[in-house]
Amino acid sequence: DTAVSQTPKYLVTQMGNDKSIKCEQNLGHDTMYWYKQDSKKFLKIMFSYNNKELIINETVPNRFSPKSPDKAHLNLHINSLELGDSAVYFCASSQVPPGNEKLFFGSGTQLSVL
Amino acid sequence: GENVEQHPSTLSVQEGDSAVIKCTYSDSASNYFPWYKQELGKRPQLIIDIRSNVGEKKDQRIAVTLNKTAKHFSLHITETQPEDSAVYFCAASIAFGNDMRFGAGTRLTVKP
Repeated sequence: DTAVSQTPKYLVTQMGNDKSIKCEQNLGHDTMYWYKQDSKKFLKIMFSYNNKELIINETVPNRFSPKSPDKAHLNLHINSLELGDSAVYFCASSQVPPGNEKLFFGSGTQLSVL
Repeated sequence: GENVEQHPSTLSVQEGDSAVIKCTYSDSASNYFPWYKQELGKRPQLIIDIRSNVGEKKDQRIAVTLNKTAKHFSLHITETQPEDSAVYFCAASIAFGNDMRFGAGTRLTVKP
């Protein structure tokens, strides 16, 4: 009964490949996010979706394309992987109204691009 | 957009001492300020949060203070224990916003 689950946990791939990370939340939250955590542990927001609609798209290369088939799922597809894409990617969800902004994070996907 | 700065980047204390981590934010519209703890190899987890209508909040050994005028908030951990060792992140967001901005993190080490 994991609240926010993402798969895979580890992803090792070659430069130039295309890969996807899946995320699902069973909390009934309206908002889902993707965060990237680099080797220095900095947590940077990439995307934010509210009820399947894109709200925030930070300066992320267009090789990264989020897809939200419904409000419980937010997947991340990455084309033409580069060495600099190596990081831990966290999915998260929250309910927006005041009192519910707490972020629930998934367990992370460690992506290593060789 | 919001910019959150966090200091120090690393902090080492003796068990039993207090630890203080400070953050500043840039957007005066921000009104929700959570703190997350991330243990090695784990996900960030909320430990305490504060809203802009409150100046201080305490939960056992941890407390957070907020100075809206100075756009500054701090995490205080008293009687530190080795299990407090982790990376701590401050964050700021606007209610009804879909955006949570994090500080760069503080690696706290508590030496037994």
